Amino acid sequence: NIVLTQSPATLSVTPGESVSLSCRASQSISTSIHWYQQKSNESPRLLIKYASQSISGIPSRFSGSGSGTDFTLSINRVESEDFSIYYCQQSYSSLLTFGSGTKLEIK
Amino acid sequence: EVQLVESGGGLVQPGRSLKLSCAASGFTFSNYYMAWVRQAPKKGLEWVATISTSGSRTYYPDSVKGRFTISRDNAKSSLYLQMNSLKSEDTATYYCARHPYGGPGGDYWGQGVMVTVSS
Repeated sequence: NIVLTQSPATLSVTPGESVSLSCRASQSISTSIHWYQQKSNESPRLLIKYASQSISGIPSRFSGSGSGTDFTLSINRVESEDFSIYYCQQSYSSLLTFGSGTKLEIK
Repeated sequence: EVQLVESGGGLVQPGRSLKLSCAASGFTFSNYYMAWVRQAPKKGLEWVATISTSGSRTYYPDSVKGRFTISRDNAKSSLYLQMNSLKSEDTATYYCARHPYGGPGGDYWGQGVMVTVSS
């Protein structure tokens, strides 16, 4: 199975800062990585697909990059509504896997 | 508007069975792979099952293989998850998700349904 390792586990930031969240795959997965946001007591929401493709309705401050084994979700100037948990997920294999998540919290 | 509505959750004893349902609307159900994803309390997301458009291909992680069965009824735009031999570690919120082939595990998600396995 493809293992996804997200870092850091928790990221404490001040609103207005820009941040980068990391997701590393245990083997090369091309650009078959997708990012989700999950707010407390809500269903996950797709933010970015195929490493860098934007999703309709998602604010432009969210962007993704990377290929192979190293991927990054960037948030430009974090807003209060962005404090939540972020997961990466791979679809390179039919046996889907998720990362363990990065919690973005207010400093 | 895409809508996915799960039902069938509840409290069940270890070793017993439960069947979840997901009613889909707002898109051509038969054109999409579908998936179930679960989340144990205070834990991360775990993929549980995927089914192809026709239902001829199914995929499971080792944690549920042989105990869970995903199925679909394209005429009713409905997705199902039959869960047998339930264990306490199956306690979770189960989400139904639309899964574009080869793409995101879920581009649209249901609200989730809680399954509690306890005596």
